[in-house]
Amino acid sequence: NAGVMQNPRHLVRRRGQEARLRCSPMKGHSHVYWYRQLPEEGLKFMVYLQKENIIDESGMPKERFSAEFPKEGPSILRIQQVVRGDSAAYFCASSPDSRNEKLFFGSGTQLSVL
Amino acid sequence: GENVEQHPSTLSVQEGDSAVIKCTYSDSASNYFPWYKQELGKRPQLIIDIRSNVGEKKDQRIAVTLNKTAKHFSLHITETQPEDSAVYFCAASSNSGYALNFGKGTSLLVTP
Repeated sequence: NAGVMQNPRHLVRRRGQEARLRCSPMKGHSHVYWYRQLPEEGLKFMVYLQKENIIDESGMPKERFSAEFPKEGPSILRIQQVVRGDSAAYFCASSPDSRNEKLFFGSGTQLSVL
Repeated sequence: GENVEQHPSTLSVQEGDSAVIKCTYSDSASNYFPWYKQELGKRPQLIIDIRSNVGEKKDQRIAVTLNKTAKHFSLHITETQPEDSAVYFCAASSNSGYALNFGKGTSLLVTP
């Protein structure tokens, strides 16, 4: 079991560009969560998705951020027109059911906006 | 929203000593409390968790206690080793049931 796979590990973007972060959950897991971690901070919930459905996006900024988890392929967190404040580590986690227990985290994508 | 406070922010102990990290939460509906360990540049890893119907849980050198009335829970690490050095995060489930609300972390340093 390869665990939760995220790519890229590091992503550098200039202000105004788009960032696309990918997450493949653990085998057998169909529930995906995205969290953001700022330096010296804890993880902040962004969005919870099941296959083809956004269940809870209460932590997502209202603009520029979107997420999807298609029937086939990885979950994608998309940030349009990035700004310096978007620089953070973005972690994906998966679980086998809708309870948010026993979350398995990926290694994260470190986004740096120049 | 749900607020999880974690103390201390840094903790330094000698190898073999015990370490205690404390968290408080505000939402009385929270019923699940995990602890994660994150080494530098690595993923957060679940080390122990407790549900609200249990007051204490132990797994070898680590234990967690929960006081629902006071809305606080603690992580206890006994016989600390240098490899225990990491950032530890507590979390509490939210009233929506989907989000985990994390504390800001405790940087634990175990010196030989």
